[in-house]
Amino acid sequence: EAQVTQNPRYLITVTGKKLTVTCSQNMNHEYMSWYRQDPGLGLRQIYYSMNVEVTDKGDVPEGYKVSRKEKRNFPLILESPSPNQTSLYFCASSLQGRGYGYTFGSGTRLTVV
Amino acid sequence: GIQVEQSPPDLILQEGANSTLRCNFSDSVNNLQWFHQNPWGQLINLFYIPSGTKQNGRLSATTVATERYSLLYISSSQTTDSGVYFCAPGPSGTYKYIFGTGTRLKVLA
Repeated sequence: EAQVTQNPRYLITVTGKKLTVTCSQNMNHEYMSWYRQDPGLGLRQIYYSMNVEVTDKGDVPEGYKVSRKEKRNFPLILESPSPNQTSLYFCASSLQGRGYGYTFGSGTRLTVV
Repeated sequence: GIQVEQSPPDLILQEGANSTLRCNFSDSVNNLQWFHQNPWGQLINLFYIPSGTKQNGRLSATTVATERYSLLYISSSQTTDSGVYFCAPGPSGTYKYIFGTGTRLKVLA
């Protein structure tokens, strides 16, 4: 089944403890992206990647890192999480170019205490 | 940056009713998507529609890029249509999508 898989679905962590949220797609998509969703603010883009080893900042990249070493994986890294990073996170992927819509993962609800 | 405004912010319908959701954007775009977020939080792509009109069952969408708006039509609404509808235009010259804050739809049986 074609899908974007995020793990974990839920995570509670403490301030400053490094964590990684994984994202993997099995559709051979070139484009991948991370979003966070907060009440009243909609979805905001954190980082995106056009292909392997090509990444760029979205609108809210502060406090996050990404890497794209393989086409199928696009992990989101929080080196030193803070409570303002408590949010619902979504990974998305698509084929490159016009005419192709996103496929989203199921989301990761992160709480930083 | 581009501003995205969706209206109405909230909508309550009886099952079987029709509705039109609007998305205005402040700058030229070369991509636009509509999404539905169901009550369980899943985000589903409905349309990729940078211009023109598309239909998929009871749903259709129209984007008039020159006038900077897009419309999503839902006909004969069902309770399963409940959730939040987002439009996400992609500004010209970028590979980004900017999401609106959504229209929250509740369909009553």
